[in-house]
Order: sequence, then C-alpha cells, then structure tokens
Amino acid sequence: EPEVTQTPSHQVTQMGQEVILRCVPISNHLYFYWYRQILGQKVEFLVSFYNNEISEKSEIFDDQFSVERPDGSNFTLKIRSTKLEDSAMYFCASSEGTGSGNTIYFGEGSWLTVV
Amino acid sequence: GDSVTQMEGPVTLSEEAFLTINCTYTATGYPSLFWYVQYPGEGLQLLLKATKADDKGSNKGFEATYRKETTSFHLEKGSVQVSDSAVYFCALRDPLGGNNRLAFGKGNQVVVIP
Repeated sequence: EPEVTQTPSHQVTQMGQEVILRCVPISNHLYFYWYRQILGQKVEFLVSFYNNEISEKSEIFDDQFSVERPDGSNFTLKIRSTKLEDSAMYFCASSEGTGSGNTIYFGEGSWLTVV
Repeated sequence: GDSVTQMEGPVTLSEEAFLTINCTYTATGYPSLFWYVQYPGEGLQLLLKATKADDKGSNKGFEATYRKETTSFHLEKGSVQVSDSAVYFCALRDPLGGNNRLAFGKGNQVVVIP
C-alpha cells in the first residue's frame, strides 16, 4: 500500500538552529499537510499546501515556519530558528482531494527535540 | 471553532473485554468524523470514518456511529486483543466550516493485558 514517508525519524537540534523536515507524499496526491503533536497534547494542524502554495494555515504557523515542494516528490517543513517549545512530533500527510470521501494519510512522524 | 473531546486518561483492559472510547464534538458545519490509530512506533492510520448522520464506520472489529443528536462518535469493539494496544484519536473535518483541516482529540492510550 502506498505510504507517506518522513525523514528524519528523530532530530535533536540546538535552540536557534534551522531545521528542515522532509516528507514524500503519496505519488498521486495533490494536497499536502503538516501537523504536530507536543508531548501529551492534541495533534494540531499547521498548514495545508495545494498547487504549489499554502491553502490554509493555523495560528501556530508563524513566520518561523515555511513549507516548500522543491521538486516533484518532496514536501518540506522548515523551522527557521527553533525554540524549545517547537519540540514535538511532526506529521506529514497527504490526500487526493478535499471532499468527505477523501482520506488523509499520515506518515510515521519526525520527532524534533530542541535543546 | 471546531473541536473534539475524548474521555480522559488511558484505558487498561483484559483481552476479550469490551472497549468503549467516548468522543464528542462541536462543529460549525456538518463534519465528517474519523478514528485514527497509532500503533507503537508507527504513524497515524485511519481506522474508520463516517460522513453523515447515522452512518456507522467499521473496520477490524471496531465500530463507531455518527450521532448528530448527541454530537458523538464513540468507538467500540466487542472483544479486544493484545494487538489492539495503541493510541486512538477521534477527529473531525468540517469543510463547510471553511477549512479542510482535521481537528483531533487528545487521544486515548489503550493497553490490553493478556
């Protein structure tokens, strides 16, 4: 079964450093997403991406965050200057469409620890 | 805004016991409802879904019925196995509310003891 793949599975970074999390969505999907889960809290929506632009973002997705689809397969999340509170599991996801019949498929997540 | 509430705390039960995890929601539109499961070391997987009132989603022995009158989508399984040990997340998507994002509950850790 096709799947969303994410790298790295775990990254430790120093506060203030830039981090790039990478994702390969399912190949025929057109909508891409990032979610995050801070330990012990809810899974939270960050951003959705369609047709090479952000289609929706949450209040969490401030100027420190950016997303990019640099080529035909990768979808990346960049955190420009990490803060301690950015420590979380980051999930990439993709879907074919946005209707109620479309399932959003998630990757295994990337654990980010900011020290 | 849209939100999902799951019952507090982990759930520990014996093999073959009956499992219920409560989920209620608030939404501005007419949402689709989902249960996702996260097995140890794995990502979020869709377990089941329902897109309109009175729909019953089912998969792997799990069931949940979309109850609009009580704004609930409780997950049930009649006889759990050790392999059902995982974290279960209730979620909704409310495109008529103006967005395509999933709103998740906090999740419930389920531990099934042999």
